[in-house]
Amino acid sequence: GAVVSQHPSRVICKSGTSVKIECRSLDFQATTMFWYRQFPKQSLMLMATSNEGSKATYEQGVEKDKFLINHASLTLSTLTVTSAHPEDSSFYICSARPPRTGGPAFFGQGTRLTVV
Amino acid sequence: SQQGEEDPQALSIQEGENATMNCSYKTSINNLQWYRQNSGRGLVHLILIRSNEREKHSGRLRVTLDTSKKSSSLLITASRAADTASYFCATDAGTYKYIFGTGTRLKVLA
Repeated sequence: GAVVSQHPSRVICKSGTSVKIECRSLDFQATTMFWYRQFPKQSLMLMATSNEGSKATYEQGVEKDKFLINHASLTLSTLTVTSAHPEDSSFYICSARPPRTGGPAFFGQGTRLTVV
Repeated sequence: SQQGEEDPQALSIQEGENATMNCSYKTSINNLQWYRQNSGRGLVHLILIRSNEREKHSGRLRVTLDTSKKSSSLLITASRAADTASYFCATDAGTYKYIFGTGTRLKVLA
């Protein structure tokens, strides 16, 4: 089946630094990918829609300057958490959907970000 | 908030029993899916049910959908300790942006 790979799976960074998370569709091209955030023991909240070759679309309340999204190729989207703070610590998950299948999206393994 | 709701929030059962989780959502949908998440891990797709379907089966899983009530249920039969996880419903209004439910934490005791 289709595979979405996310890297890194776990990252610890110092407050004030930036962290980049990669999301790759391994065996299909994805013009659109999605980024979600999940706080401990809570559900997933959609942050933004990543569009290949154009600007990302952010959900209400998500700071686009804080969470930079780049979708430079049909198989790679990146999420950069800029000037990270402890409150940015969370589980970030991406998803992508194989085109023209009518089937479900596939999710990456997730990235556990801890800002210290 | 557009987020769906699931109940119960937590469920603890004995191995071999059936587990039922319910999901309610707020807007019209194209399809609804159920996902499983083991602690601290990514999501695993379980089953997709389209808006024109009322019931689907996959192995020990049975999903129902009632679009008039904007609700769905997931039944896991003959549960196993390995079924212990969080279960989320997710709805797609046709934009492929999934709205997730609040989740049910299932614990199956051996």
